[in-house]
Amino acid sequence: DQQVKQNSPSLSVQEGRISILNCDYTNSMFDYFLWYKKYPAEGPTFLISISSIKDKNEDGRFTVFLNKSAKHLSLHIVPSQPGDSAVYFCAASALTRGSTLGRLYFGRGTQLTVWP
Amino acid sequence: DADVTQTPRNRITKTGKRIMLECSQTKGHDRMYWYRQDPGLGLRLIYYSFDVKDINKGEISDGYSVSRQAQAKFSLSLESAIPNQTALYFCATSVRGRETQYFGPGTRLLVL
Repeated sequence: DQQVKQNSPSLSVQEGRISILNCDYTNSMFDYFLWYKKYPAEGPTFLISISSIKDKNEDGRFTVFLNKSAKHLSLHIVPSQPGDSAVYFCAASALTRGSTLGRLYFGRGTQLTVWP
Repeated sequence: DADVTQTPRNRITKTGKRIMLECSQTKGHDRMYWYRQDPGLGLRLIYYSFDVKDINKGEISDGYSVSRQAQAKFSLSLESAIPNQTALYFCATSVRGRETQYFGPGTRLLVL
């Protein structure tokens, strides 16, 4: 049973526009969330994270929003660039409690394509 | 030099063969992980190790075994490979108390 879900397998956006990638989770013990980016033939690389004590975290063109009541988070990329084309994985963990301690649970990923 | 290395990068083997995938890290991290990635299925955890003497099964450990030879080395073995184990395999590391994991470049395995 997937505890982290990315329901859109793909997203296509024009260069310069905003990309919004969505992620939902079911486990209420999750209190830390991460986004990873993966290019073909490479390992995933860490992009940005957010703790459940915040509802927003920003790093340059990347912003992650967390809605705890809805168990939903999103990654915004503004402006989108062709080099952002990659697979984006959402991941979650429990920092402080439960059997999920120390593990990351990943979604299935969203393929983002940014076209000129 | 890469902080997390995996060998081999590509491997073709036959059904029933035993193979080992190796992971080494120079990050000084105490925790190491093995994942597999299949198209449309994301990253699934096979085994993880919080230190040399602490090894745990992940969600898909059947058919796999691991060995943590040292803090810096974590090997994944397929005792008798089957075509269903054809996938991309990733090793990752992290530090206790910090959730960010750092991934190696992956090993592409094809079982014929």
